[in-house]
Amino acid sequence: KNQVEQSPQSLIILEGKNCTLQCNYTVSPFSNLRWYKQDTGRGPVSLTIMTFSENTKSNGRYTATLDADTKQSSLHITASQLSDSASYICVVSASTNSGAGSYQLTFGKGTKLSVIP
Amino acid sequence: NAGVMQNPRHLVRRRGQEARLRCSPMKGHSHVYWYRQLPEEGLKFMVYLQKENIIDESGMPKERFSAEFPKEGPSILRIQQVVRGDSAAYFCASSPPPGQARFFGSGTQLSVL
Repeated sequence: KNQVEQSPQSLIILEGKNCTLQCNYTVSPFSNLRWYKQDTGRGPVSLTIMTFSENTKSNGRYTATLDADTKQSSLHITASQLSDSASYICVVSASTNSGAGSYQLTFGKGTKLSVIP
Repeated sequence: NAGVMQNPRHLVRRRGQEARLRCSPMKGHSHVYWYRQLPEEGLKFMVYLQKENIIDESGMPKERFSAEFPKEGPSILRIQQVVRGDSAAYFCASSPPPGQARFFGSGTQLSVL
């Protein structure tokens, strides 16, 4: 069964500090891994997408890593801001043979990050 | 270039009524996906549609739920005879080919009284 596990479940950090969120997955066959940011009451917004061959991808203060061998990913946030308070969701896509592309996504439950002044 | 538009943002229904949720994909996107999210839970896939076709509805309950994406107009997720357990946030997403970035709407929060 395809699963995505995230840790920690929640995290509180001071403004300006760095943090790292973790994601472990058991999705097969693997296609790509995505990190999304979801503000309360809003839809998820894509931060990064990584394929099998990519180890690191950055988007501003967000840096995602992927270790396809151990099936782990991390999201590092540098110099956190109050606006970073949100849920961060790890999403893994499985390949399909249907010809319709890799549309099956497995979502983690997210890490709820609170940045306080 | 407007993003994925969902309406209404909030919908209140009494048990037994019908709920209709609408989703207009981003311009140029012909692939639409519906997800359901319960509090403290991850998004769960419901249905994947292309224009006028249901590609995969394996995540959608067989009873009371239906979805369509007509040639003209928004995609509709329809829930008949709603029950309290249908209360959730329903998100729509769209993409060009499915392997590319998927853009989400702001969701419809359905509350069943």
